[in-house]
Amino acid sequence: QVQLVQSGAEVKKPGSSVEVSCKASGGTFSSYVITWVRQAPGQGLEWMGGIIPIFNKPKFAQKFQGRVAITADQSTSTAYMELSSLRSEDTAVYYCARGGELSYFYGMDVWGQGTTVTVSS
Amino acid sequence: QSALTQPRSVAGSPGQSVTISCTGTSSDVGGYNYVSWYQQYSGKAPKLMIYDVSQRPSGVPDRFSGSKSGNTASLTISGLQADDEADYYCCSYAGSHTQVFGGGTKLTVL
Repeated sequence: QVQLVQSGAEVKKPGSSVEVSCKASGGTFSSYVITWVRQAPGQGLEWMGGIIPIFNKPKFAQKFQGRVAITADQSTSTAYMELSSLRSEDTAVYYCARGGELSYFYGMDVWGQGTTVTVSS
Repeated sequence: QSALTQPRSVAGSPGQSVTISCTGTSSDVGGYNYVSWYQQYSGKAPKLMIYDVSQRPSGVPDRFSGSKSGNTASLTISGLQADDEADYYCCSYAGSHTQVFGGGTKLTVL
């Protein structure tokens, strides 16, 4: 059974960057979409972007273009999301989740535990 | 990529059925049969309940069902139980290798 384990909570200053990692274990990593979703306090889920590790061509929601980087290391089965130019509105729980095999069509069936990122001066 | 529209809240009594709607456009919900639904308890990660409009993952009770008509998808929960009380989110493929979520619906079991 695939599990996704994320890195720990972060506190960052406005204007800085944060990187969150997502390590997969127990199943195939390279051919499945790893998606990043965030949830601000008291708010809904927001799709940020994703990557299929064997293709290594990340896709992003328009809102995050230019400010988010998504990478994957097949050798360690770990995906990374880096968000730059942080502002207070980026305070949220960030989730990684496994999507479909070789396609962005499908639902996300395995989720990480979430990483809380707090942006505060 | 605007968020899909869901009612902010719905409610029902134990044993009843409730339906949560999810309205998008022809560029997302209406254009593809790739709508999924997630259940989320407070402070927990979401759980996939429905994928491909109406398919249930293994382990999800058949009380949960999904459908779609035009630009609106729906999640129906029949035989409501107390532990169905949670937030529910729809999500649709939106073209160009992207997806979009709905704003979420809080289900209250009276």
